Amino acid sequence: EDKVVQSPLSLVVHEGDTVTLNCSYEVTNFRSLLWYKQEKKAPTFLFMLTSSGIEKKSGRLSSILDKKELFSILNITATQTGDSAVYLCAVKETSGSRLTFGEGTQLTVNP
Amino acid sequence: GAVVSQHPSRVICKSGTSVKIECRSLDFQATTMFWYRQFPKQSLMLMATSNEGSKATYEQGVEKDKFLINHASLTLSTLTVTSAHPEDSSFYICSARDPGARTDTQYFGPGTRLTVL
Repeated sequence: EDKVVQSPLSLVVHEGDTVTLNCSYEVTNFRSLLWYKQEKKAPTFLFMLTSSGIEKKSGRLSSILDKKELFSILNITATQTGDSAVYLCAVKETSGSRLTFGEGTQLTVNP
Repeated sequence: GAVVSQHPSRVICKSGTSVKIECRSLDFQATTMFWYRQFPKQSLMLMATSNEGSKATYEQGVEKDKFLINHASLTLSTLTVTSAHPEDSSFYICSARDPGARTDTQYFGPGTRLTVL
């Protein structure tokens, strides 16, 4: 059974701090790993990673995948209160389109 | 990115009634849509995969007779919660994959919060 584990489950920081969110996975036939940000409603897409070692970057957010260690991290630099959300990691297998989600990391950025 | 809508955004119903939730892909045709359920402070749990023109594929533990899924067109899938009970109260989210896109991303609808009294 596919498994996605995120850590920490909860994180509280001050504005301006840098945070690193972790995602490890066990998937039979890995195809891609996706990061989503969920505020009050449905998740919004952040990154999709398929290859090891290639950093994806969008503003203050960046992410990288290690397919050997079955691990991905999401970095947020110079955090802002608007970054407060649940960050979800999901993996997709080569067959089918279903995503398996981790439990998420609840990030709270205090002013 | 692609747009997926859901209707209604919020519904409150009495125990024993049925509730229908619609999921629409607005600017692409989705042969496959997904229905998730999310309880407070928990992650998204896939309930079923909705396939246009064929029967939905349900995840283990999800009752197909209770959660009826219909994917009658390439832009619309519906989830009907039949004989709803308070324990069915949850946040229901659909997603759709754009087959014309190069990536594996799924686009999520805004969700429907169901409260069963």
